Amino acid sequence: AQTVTQSQPEMSVQEAETVTLSCTYDTSENNYYLFWYKQPPSRQMILVIRQEAYKQQNATENRFSVNFQKAAKSFSLKISDSQLGDTAMYFCAFMMRNQGGKLIFGQGTELSVKP
Amino acid sequence: DAGVIQSPRHEVTEMGQEVTLRCKPISGHDYLFWYRQTMMRGLELLIYFNNNVPIDDSGMPEDRFSAKMPNASFSTLKIQPSEPRDSAVYFCASSPGLGTEAFFGQGTRLTVV
Repeated sequence: AQTVTQSQPEMSVQEAETVTLSCTYDTSENNYYLFWYKQPPSRQMILVIRQEAYKQQNATENRFSVNFQKAAKSFSLKISDSQLGDTAMYFCAFMMRNQGGKLIFGQGTELSVKP
Repeated sequence: DAGVIQSPRHEVTEMGQEVTLRCKPISGHDYLFWYRQTMMRGLELLIYFNNNVPIDDSGMPEDRFSAKMPNASFSTLKIQPSEPRDSAVYFCASSPGLGTEAFFGQGTRLTVV
C-alpha cells in the first residue's frame, strides 16, 4: 500500500521570502503521479502543481516549483516570493498512473505567510 | 464548465436522522470520488466510480454509508442513521480519465448533533 508523509504540521514564512514544504512517500510502483494541493480557509481544494514520476525534470508553475527525488521518494514544494494569499493548508498527494484521480493524501502542512 | 457542484454546503442534523449529500461532476469526466476530511484522519477516500459503476468502496466506514451514481451527472452519498462521529467535510471530486488529477467540489460540512 502507498503512504504519503508530511512531517511539518505547521510552518510560517515572511512575505516575499521562500519556503519549502516537505513530503515523502512510499510505493513499490514505478509509474505514478505526485501532486500538491492547496486548501485555503474557503476549504476549496486547488491543484498547485503535478509531477509525472517518469519525468526527471522538476515541475514549475510560476512561483511554485518542486524538488522531485525519485530514488529517495521525496517530493518537496518550494514557494518563492511568498504572498499573503499563499496562507493555506498544503497537501501532498500520490496517484498511481493507471488510476484516474484516486489520490492518497498526506496529513497536510498549515502554512502561514506573515506580513 | 461550473466545476464540480456539491449540495448542500452546510448540513446540520440530529443524531439518527438520514443525511443525503449530492454531487454533480464535471461533464465528460468518467471518474467520481467521495472523500471525507476530518482533523483526526485527514483526507480519506470513501468510494469511487468509473462510468457510474462503483469500483472501490473499501473506504466506506460502515453499512450506514451508501453511495449511488444513477447517471453520469449525479451522485449521492447517504448516511443512515447519522452519528456525531460522522461530522466532517465531505468532498466530491471528478476526473476525466487515467493519469489525470481530480477536480474537487467545495465540500459539504456535515455536523451531526
